[in-house]
Amino acid sequence: LAKTTQPISMDSYEGQEVNITCSHNNIATNDYITWYQQFPSQGPRFIIQGYKTKVTNEVASLFIPADRKSSTLSLPRVSLSDTAVYYCLVGRVGSSNTGKLIFGQGTTLQVKP
Amino acid sequence: GAVVSQHPSWVICKSGTSVKIECRSLDFQATTMFWYRQFPKQSLMLMATSNEGSKATYEQGVEKDKFLINHASLTLSTLTVTSAHPEDSSFYICSARAGGRGTGGGYTFGSGTRLTVV
Repeated sequence: LAKTTQPISMDSYEGQEVNITCSHNNIATNDYITWYQQFPSQGPRFIIQGYKTKVTNEVASLFIPADRKSSTLSLPRVSLSDTAVYYCLVGRVGSSNTGKLIFGQGTTLQVKP
Repeated sequence: GAVVSQHPSWVICKSGTSVKIECRSLDFQATTMFWYRQFPKQSLMLMATSNEGSKATYEQGVEKDKFLINHASLTLSTLTVTSAHPEDSSFYICSARAGGRGTGGGYTFGSGTRLTVV
């Protein structure tokens, strides 16, 4: 399983775009990049997943450069409710995979009014 | 979408007693479930992988005799903290893989159980 490195914490203000970068230098060919969000006293919640280039859904975008050694989660126009811990995970996911998910330290995002 | 229900959401027990936490996949079958523990201000730490019909696989450093895992059906895994002590107080979270029905490769997490041992 590829190890990931993220900033421990980030601060932002409401309405701003937030970009959280994750380094995963040892990512394998079959690895996907997945981001989860966790609020206090709750289980993690899936945000977005990608393999290469760019993925966008209704809540975030994920940018992955060609070498895939890093990825950036982009949250547009954050609000106070986006204050949470964000985890970047790298590993094989697919229909036949039941591999375990290993969480790194995560990034604590604090959105201020 | 896939839903994992975890019960109870919080529990307080006396030191020396045992506590059982249930993890249910509500609308899918899960041959594999995962149990995590999370201390305040820390990340999730994988404790064990629960396999339906067979013994659980524990991560290094996790006492299998203290944290008993039973995965007797395709929709239910239980974690029993035996002879609980205050240092076992933590937030316990389960996860299951729903295959194509879930997102993020199908991993869905329960809402967690806050265990306080007094």
